[in-house]
Amino acid sequence: DAKTTQPPSMDCAEGRAANLPCNHSTISGNEYVYWYRQIHSQGPQYIIHGLKNNETNEMASLIITEDRKSSTLILPHATLRDTAVYYCIVSPGYSTLTFGKGTMLLVSP
Amino acid sequence: GAGVSQSPSNKVTEKGKDVELRCDPISGHTALYWYRQSLGQGLEFLIYFQGNSAPDKSGLPSDRFSAERTGGSVSTLTIQRTQQEDSAVYLCASSLVRGGAGELFFGEGSRLTVL
Repeated sequence: DAKTTQPPSMDCAEGRAANLPCNHSTISGNEYVYWYRQIHSQGPQYIIHGLKNNETNEMASLIITEDRKSSTLILPHATLRDTAVYYCIVSPGYSTLTFGKGTMLLVSP
Repeated sequence: GAGVSQSPSNKVTEKGKDVELRCDPISGHTALYWYRQSLGQGLEFLIYFQGNSAPDKSGLPSDRFSAERTGGSVSTLTIQRTQQEDSAVYLCASSLVRGGAGELFFGEGSRLTVL
C-alpha cells in the first residue's frame, strides 16, 4: 500500500546536483510531501516538505509538479556527506509519517 | 545535548528475556514516536504519544510490545519474551506537534540483538 515510488538507488558525482525523483500519483489534496534522509547508522533527518508550491531551504529544493503526482528533491551541490538513504513520504499534516525503503544515494568523488 | 537521547545504544539479549529501551525526547516536545528498523528495511511505526492523550498503539506488532510515557517526557519501550525476529534498531523521535506538520527529530537508536 505504498503511496510513493522511488528508485532504489542513484549515483551522483561530488559537486554536481543530485535530483531524486518521487512518484505519488494517488496523493490527496490535504497530503504534504516530506523528505527525510538517513545517513548510515544514524536516525533519519528532516530535509524539507511542501504542499503545492516549490520550496527551498539551506539543505535542498523541492519541486512539486502542478498535478502534484510527482516531485523531485534537488541537492544543488552534492558532497560525500550527502551519501544516505532518502525517503519521500506523503501524509496529511496531522498524521504519523510512514517511511518506505527510499532511495540510496551514493555520492562519489 | 539538546537532541533526542536513547539508551542503551546496543543491547544483546537471549531469546525469552524481557528488555526495556529508553527515550528522552527534546524538552518541550509533546509528540513522541517509536519506530523500528530491521536490517535493510525501512522504518516501521510502532507507537505514538501526544501529550496526555491515549497513545496510538496501532503499529505494535504483538502484545509482547508495550510502551509508556511518564510525565509527558521520558518513554520506555518494553519487549517481553523477546524473539529473534525482534532484532532491529529501535528509533525514537519527538516533535513539537503531531505528524509531519512538526519536524521529527530522531535519536541515534537502540540496536537490539536477540540470540
